[in-house]
Parts: sequence; C-alpha cells; structure tokens
Amino acid sequence: AIRMTQSPSSLSASTGDRVTITCRASQGISSYLAWYQQKPGKAPKLLIYAASTLQSGVPSRFSGSGSGTDFTLTISCLQSEDFATYYCQQYYSYPPWTFGQGTKVEIK
Amino acid sequence: EVQLVESGGGLVQPGRSLRLSCTASGFTFGDYAMSWVRQAPGKGLEWVGFIRSKAYGGTTEYAASVKGRFTISRDDSKSIAYLQMNSLKTEDTAVYYCTRNRGVMGYFDYWGQGTLVTVSS
Repeated sequence: AIRMTQSPSSLSASTGDRVTITCRASQGISSYLAWYQQKPGKAPKLLIYAASTLQSGVPSRFSGSGSGTDFTLTISCLQSEDFATYYCQQYYSYPPWTFGQGTKVEIK
Repeated sequence: EVQLVESGGGLVQPGRSLRLSCTASGFTFGDYAMSWVRQAPGKGLEWVGFIRSKAYGGTTEYAASVKGRFTISRDDSKSIAYLQMNSLKTEDTAVYYCTRNRGVMGYFDYWGQGTLVTVSS
C-alpha cells in the first residue's frame, strides 16, 4: 500500500497568515492526489483534486501543487472558517486508496 | 443538490453483523461508483471499499482490514448503496461515511453525514 505522510501533524496560525501543509507519498503517484477539509463533527469536504485543481465552490485562497511524491496545500490568507483538519489522499493505485494522517490547523 | 444519507449504525456486539445503507439523491446514482470511508474516534480517515457502476461491471474492491468480512452492494433502482458488515470487531468502531467517487476516479466529491458504528460487548 502507498503510505501518505503529512507534515506537520498540527500547526497554530493566525487569521491572515499564509499556511502550507505538505504531503509525501511513499512512491510516485503522478498527480493523483486530493485534499480534503474536515471540521469537528462534520464530514470531510473535497478541496482539491488532481493535485492542483480546485473543486467548484472552493475559495481561491486554497491552492495545491506538486507531482510524483511531494505535494503541498497552501492557504494564502487564513480565514476563521479555515480552522480545521486537512487530509491528503492518493488515488493512483488501489486497493487501498490511502489518506495522510491529517494536519490540524488551530488558532494561535 | 447531491445528497447522501447513511443509516443503520448503532451498538453491536463483537462477532455480530450490521448493515448500513446509503440513500442517494440529486444525481443519476447508477452512473457512479460509490465508496465507504470510515473514521475511528479521534483518528484519521480509512477507505473501506467501493463498488463500481454497472457500466464498469458493478464489481467491488476492499481494504485488507475488512476483506472477507464486509460486502458492498447497490440497488440502482432505489439509489441505495449498502455496506454489509459481518464478524465485527471492536476495531471496526468508527463513523462510516458513504461517498461518491468522481467519475471513475478514486477521490470522493460528495460525502454523507456519517453513521456511528460501535462494536462493544
């Protein structure tokens, strides 16, 4: 199974900050990577697919980049509603499709 | 509006069975693969398995942790996907989410609200 490793596991930031989360795959996955946002008690929400394509309705302050094994999710100007846990997921090969362990973005 | 609504969760003893349902609306259910993803309390996301659309054979794939115990099926006439869970273990305790696959791809563009399954004696 392809292992997905996110860093950091958590971070503290202030509204208006630029935040970057990284995701590393244990083997090359081309651009078959998605990012999700999950708020407490809620289902995850798709933010980005194909490593850099923004899902419809997602604010443009979110962006994704990378290919192969190294990927990043960037929030350009953190808003209060962005405090959540973020997961990357590879869909290059299955079974299984695999997720990173999550990155919790907290208020500083 | 796409909606996925899970039902059937609850408390079950180890070794017993439970069937979850996912009722879909707002899209042509039969055109899409459907997956189940779970999340143990305080933990991350784990893909459980998926079922292809009939156009792609309606076949299934499972995570190693549930293969042989869980079965996914679908009733396109009712727009329902099912997750039959047998021989349940305490480590199956989780919120189970029904998700829609984007086309034939392996990412999930819509999620249900989740249903909690607790396996405990």
